[in-house]
Amino acid sequence: GAVVSQHPSWVICKSGTSVKIECRSLDFQATTMFWYRQFPKQSLMLMATSNEGSKATYEQGVEKDKFLINHASLTLSTLTVTSAHPEDSSFYICSAPGDGSYEQYFGPGTRLTVT
Amino acid sequence: GDSVTQMEGPVTLSEEAFLTINCTYTATGYPSLFWYVQYPGEGLQLLLKATKADDKGSNKGFEATYRKETTSFHLEKGSVQVSDSAVYFCALTPTNAGKSTFGDGTTLTVKP
Repeated sequence: GAVVSQHPSWVICKSGTSVKIECRSLDFQATTMFWYRQFPKQSLMLMATSNEGSKATYEQGVEKDKFLINHASLTLSTLTVTSAHPEDSSFYICSAPGDGSYEQYFGPGTRLTVT
Repeated sequence: GDSVTQMEGPVTLSEEAFLTINCTYTATGYPSLFWYVQYPGEGLQLLLKATKADDKGSNKGFEATYRKETTSFHLEKGSVQVSDSAVYFCALTPTNAGKSTFGDGTTLTVKP
């Protein structure tokens, strides 16, 4: 149980276009999901907290208009990278907290390459 | 705010060697502590966890004990295998189940 999926697993897009990444909790409901960005050989950087039914909470330094987050239902959150540029190329990971012991269930990640 | 400090890597060991990756934390209250593992090109997987002081988490031969007096949660394995090569992250989640705080990760390479 407690599986989180992401789609797509990898995407290549041209500079200036927008890309949407989906994060789904497959067998549990998640009122909160987290979006991270990970650069090569580096730790996770929390970008924002996605809240079902309300606005996302962004971490300091993360552009809200650049990284649009929508928590459409109790099992789906989306991250849209708008007007993507090569510096947005990264590995994006989502997670959702489980019950009880507060562990995070992570998606497999999405590799974004902007050319 | 909360913080997690991990032993700097990378760590390179021979197969069957003993592994220790140090992790210390700063947090208010009584957080839950976790070790996650990330294999190349993949997301993070929970390796083990401990939710209160003196709890020992264990999985796949890895162990870590929640030490409140030293605010530590060191990861150990008695005999590593090549397949253990990965990046290991120490993390905590506060008692109010807010967002987790992660260490910087430690890259482990095990050579045959």
